[in-house]
Amino acid sequence: AQTVTQSQPEMSVQEAETVTLSCTYDTSENNYYLFWYKQPPSRQMILVIRQEAYKQQNATENRFSVNFQKAAKSFSLKISDSQLGDTAMYFCAFMKRTGAQKLVFGQGTRLTINP
Amino acid sequence: GAVVSQHPSRVICKSGTSVKIECRSLDFQATTMFWYRQFPKKSLMLMATSNEGSKATYEQGVEKDKFLINHASLTLSTLTVTSAHPEDSSFYICSAREMGGKDTGELFFGEGSRLTVL
Repeated sequence: AQTVTQSQPEMSVQEAETVTLSCTYDTSENNYYLFWYKQPPSRQMILVIRQEAYKQQNATENRFSVNFQKAAKSFSLKISDSQLGDTAMYFCAFMKRTGAQKLVFGQGTRLTINP
Repeated sequence: GAVVSQHPSRVICKSGTSVKIECRSLDFQATTMFWYRQFPKKSLMLMATSNEGSKATYEQGVEKDKFLINHASLTLSTLTVTSAHPEDSSFYICSAREMGGKDTGELFFGEGSRLTVL
């Protein structure tokens, strides 16, 4: 079974700073996806960024980028120039590319951006 | 595009009654939908996988007679909490995968439904 671990329950930074959220996972699969989802106070889950395991290049989406280390099974999220609207719960998630394709979530990191 | 809507967003019921939550894909067809439960300040726990036209697949420890799932069409899955008790109070979220869509692994989430059982 796959597991996803987020070791930082809470983080807090000042607006405009850069912050990195950590995520590690455990799997015997070789073909999978990794995701970061954001859950703001509205509780709506929003996809932040997606990484395909077979791609070595780290995914980027504007101010959001990942550091994907497949051998180390690490998938951290970097938020640059943080904004007040980035305040939310962030969940790291794993999905096999084959079979039922269920999402396995980490415990979440509560990120607060302070003005 | 790719909007998933849940209804109701909030529901309060008395203990012993049943409550139905709907999950609709508004602009795409979904052969597979997923139901999650989220406790306060906790992560999402997968309850079951809902497949159109067939029985749902429940995760270990989830009572299938308690949480009835029906996926009667390509755009609608329902979760019915039967004989609800206060411990069933929680935030329930659905997600859907677009049928025939590009294989990106992306799931689209509903807004969630908060159930309070008195």
